[in-house]
Amino acid sequence: EDQVTQSPEALRLQEGESSSLNCSYTVSGLRGLFWYRQDPGKGPEFLFTLYSAGEEKEKERLKATLTKKESFLHITAPKPEDSATYLCAVQARISGGSYIPTFGRGTSLIVHP
Amino acid sequence: DAGVIQSPRHEVTEMGQEVTLRCKPISGHNSLFWYRQTMMRGLELLIYFNNNVPIDDSGMPEDRFSAKMPNASFSTLKIQPSEPRDSAVYFCASRIQGRSGQPQHFGDGTRLSIL
Repeated sequence: EDQVTQSPEALRLQEGESSSLNCSYTVSGLRGLFWYRQDPGKGPEFLFTLYSAGEEKEKERLKATLTKKESFLHITAPKPEDSATYLCAVQARISGGSYIPTFGRGTSLIVHP
Repeated sequence: DAGVIQSPRHEVTEMGQEVTLRCKPISGHNSLFWYRQTMMRGLELLIYFNNNVPIDDSGMPEDRFSAKMPNASFSTLKIQPSEPRDSAVYFCASRIQGRSGQPQHFGDGTRLSIL
């Protein structure tokens, strides 16, 4: 069974204090790893897709990286508006001919001013 | 562009009542997913459709849950009869199926409370 584990469950940072969120997975035949951001009362919002080990994607203060066993979401000099829950989803399971993502439980990030 | 639209945003009803959640996917997306999110279990896939056809409903918890997609622009998730343990946030998501690596796009959910 595919497993997706995110750590830490919760993270508190001071504004400007860089850190990383982790998403580790045990799947066979990865067909994409997705990062989403979820604000309270909202649905997950797509951030990045990574396909192969060594790949990196960047958007503003966020950078996502991928290895064969895990992905990191690096947050550089975070601001309070980066506070949200960050979800990782791994796509490897085939159901009915389609690859279906399996979501982790998320990391709740709070950035204090 | 309009995103995925869900209604209602909030629903409070009494145990035993029928509940119907609605979803309009993004135009041109041919795959639609229903999820349930709780603190205890996170985001769980209930059912998904490709080209309006249900493909995998193994995540539907019980026969009390049913989902339909009568056309490409509308889907419903129905709970009958509802129970307090069904209280959760229900999300609909859509994507373009058939192209590798396409992400899902989520609506803002329906927060369901069964009293």
